[in-house]
Amino acid sequence: GQQVMQIPQYQHVQEGEDFTTYCNSSTTLSNIQWYKQRPGGHPVFLIQLVKSGEVKKQKRLTFQFGEAKKNSSLHITATQTTDVGTYFCARSGTYKYIFGTGTRLKVLA
Amino acid sequence: ETGVTQTPRHLVMGMTNKKSLKCEQHLGHNAMYWYKQSAKKPLELMFVYSLEERVENNSVPSRFSPECPNSSHLFLHLHTLQPEDSALYLCASSQDPSGDREQYFGPGTRLTVT
Repeated sequence: GQQVMQIPQYQHVQEGEDFTTYCNSSTTLSNIQWYKQRPGGHPVFLIQLVKSGEVKKQKRLTFQFGEAKKNSSLHITATQTTDVGTYFCARSGTYKYIFGTGTRLKVLA
Repeated sequence: ETGVTQTPRHLVMGMTNKKSLKCEQHLGHNAMYWYKQSAKKPLELMFVYSLEERVENNSVPSRFSPECPNSSHLFLHLHTLQPEDSALYLCASSQDPSGDREQYFGPGTRLTVT
C-alpha cells in the first residue's frame, strides 16, 4: 500500500567512511521528507524533496529523489561521530505522514 | 529546542490508572499530531488535529482519547492501558496539515504500563 521501506536497518561504519540509506515505495510519492533522531532524542526534520530527480545538499549530506518519485536516498560523506542516530524517511499527504522503519547508524571512532 | 514541549517526560502507570499526556507548541502552528514509537516499529501516526478539529484517527483503540482545547495545546488521555501500549509518545506540530510542511517534534513521553 502506502508503506515506505528503508534499507538497511542498521549500519556500522568507521569514522570517515561514507554511508547511504535508501527509501523505497511501491507507489509514486508526492514528496519525501527526511528526519534524524539521535539516541534518546526525538525526530528532527532535515529536508523535503518534491521534484523528480531532485538532488539537495546540506554540507556532507546529499539527498536524492528518484526520477520516478518512488525512491529516495540519503548519502553522508566522511561520517563523523556526530552523525550517529536513526535516519527516517517519511511520505506525506494531507493529514498523513507515513514513516519508514529507519536506518540506525553507528559510527566507530 | 523549546518549540514543542511535552509533559511528563516519563510516566509509569498501572493498567487501571487514568493519566494524561500534555503537549504545547509555541510555534504558532495550526496542526498537531500524536505519534507512538515502539521498539522495532516505524513511527505510528495516531491522531491529527487541524485548527483544534480532529481530522484523522488511525484506528487507535478507544483507551486513547485525544483532546485539543486550542491550537497550542494537545492532550492524550489514557485509561485502562495494556502493557503493549508501553512506548515513546511523541507530539508534533506543523504549520498546516497539508503534508507539505515539516513537522516539529517534542521530546516525547516515555510511557511504561505495568
